[in-house]
Amino acid sequence: GESVGLHLPTLSVQEGDNSIINCAYSNSASDYFIWYKQESGKGPQFIIDIRSNMDKRQGQRVTVLLNKTVKHLSLQIAATQPGDSAVYFCAENMAGKLIFGQGTELSVKP
Amino acid sequence: DAGVIQSPRHEVTEMGQEVTLRCKPISGHNSLFWYRQTMMRGLELLIYFNNNVPIDDSGMPEDRFSAKMPNASFSTLKIQPSEPRDSAVYFCATCGKWDHADTQYFGPGTRLTVL
Repeated sequence: GESVGLHLPTLSVQEGDNSIINCAYSNSASDYFIWYKQESGKGPQFIIDIRSNMDKRQGQRVTVLLNKTVKHLSLQIAATQPGDSAVYFCAENMAGKLIFGQGTELSVKP
Repeated sequence: DAGVIQSPRHEVTEMGQEVTLRCKPISGHNSLFWYRQTMMRGLELLIYFNNNVPIDDSGMPEDRFSAKMPNASFSTLKIQPSEPRDSAVYFCATCGKWDHADTQYFGPGTRLTVL
């Protein structure tokens, strides 16, 4: 029979626009969160992290926001570029183990 | 630093054969994780080691899967016998201090195809 794969949420943006990728996590006791970027044929690559005692953290062109009240995490990418096209995963740390979300596919239109 | 090194990058084998995947962690990293990624199930943690000792193998799917870390610079994931449903990309990741929520760095993965 035909196999059914995960249907990844997809975000399509125009080059130069800002992107916002959202993630809901499951455990209110999680104390550390990471965003990974995975390009086709490669392993997940660390982008930015945030600890639970923070609400916001900025990197180069990326910002992560953490809302512990609603267990929500977001990744903002400023001035999105074609090289940003990839699948983005959020991960929460639970007792030393990373639990990954299903991922969001970002597609950047030139 | 060369990062996490995995070999082989691609493996094609026939059902019933033994498969051994290898991982060399980043020097100085004390913790090592094996993941499996499929379209059906996404990224799943199989097992992880801290200071060469297996801490949690609850993600290992069956007794056909086994993992070892004989020293701080080498780990293997073995499947014996392999089955078509084992086809996936297997990643190794390492970090400095797992219990301090340190960042995990992933290798390039091994794409396994079992015919």
